[in-house]
Amino acid sequence: DTEVTQTPKHLVMGMTNKKSLKCEQHMGHRAMYWYKQKAKKPPELMFVYSYEKLSINESVPSRFSPECPNSSLLNLHLHALQPEDSALYLCASSYQGSATEAFFGQGTRLTVV
Amino acid sequence: QQQVKQSPQSLIVQKGGISIINCAYENTAFDYFPWYQQFPGKGPALLIAIRPDVSEKKEGRFTISFNKSAKQFSLHIMDSQPGDSATYFCAAIKSNFGNEKLTFGTGTRLTIIP
Repeated sequence: DTEVTQTPKHLVMGMTNKKSLKCEQHMGHRAMYWYKQKAKKPPELMFVYSYEKLSINESVPSRFSPECPNSSLLNLHLHALQPEDSALYLCASSYQGSATEAFFGQGTRLTVV
Repeated sequence: QQQVKQSPQSLIVQKGGISIINCAYENTAFDYFPWYQQFPGKGPALLIAIRPDVSEKKEGRFTISFNKSAKQFSLHIMDSQPGDSATYFCAAIKSNFGNEKLTFGTGTRLTIIP
């Protein structure tokens, strides 16, 4: 099973709403990532979790709050977002300890209205 | 700071032809180079990857050529098909326990015409 599952696939939220994106993998990967991708651009790294601990935060605004409840799950909590935060949000995972490929989920298409 | 440069930005190739996408990197500490294929509205999917101690890797119609001294690598798609039409990203990773991250190229939009 080389799958990273993200829910929901699409999300529309108002600027005062609170919502969460979910990501799950069962490949035994110990590194999990959140990326943001705007149209016609490469994915931009937001957060990295290593062994369930936050290891990289790429200066992401506090309206994005990651959480890693266990080694298989990754959440991204959203609050008071702006329209410019509309994007495809991608979760990925990889083996820990050596540079290797990351497997991506299908993404959540987020629209902030 | 663009650590991985990718070209061309867009590419049109006739069906059956060879598609070639080039990437160049600056950081010699990079030690893994994956290529991703992305269709509209989908997440990137790993296509093929190479380590710098290998000069070429082939998987089906896809080949990576790697030139360590020039700090360049390229993706060749042989016998290109309309189903190969997608955006392709090269990437680079540096081993760093717990702090590894992909550095992506800017992407190439490939269109295969009949």
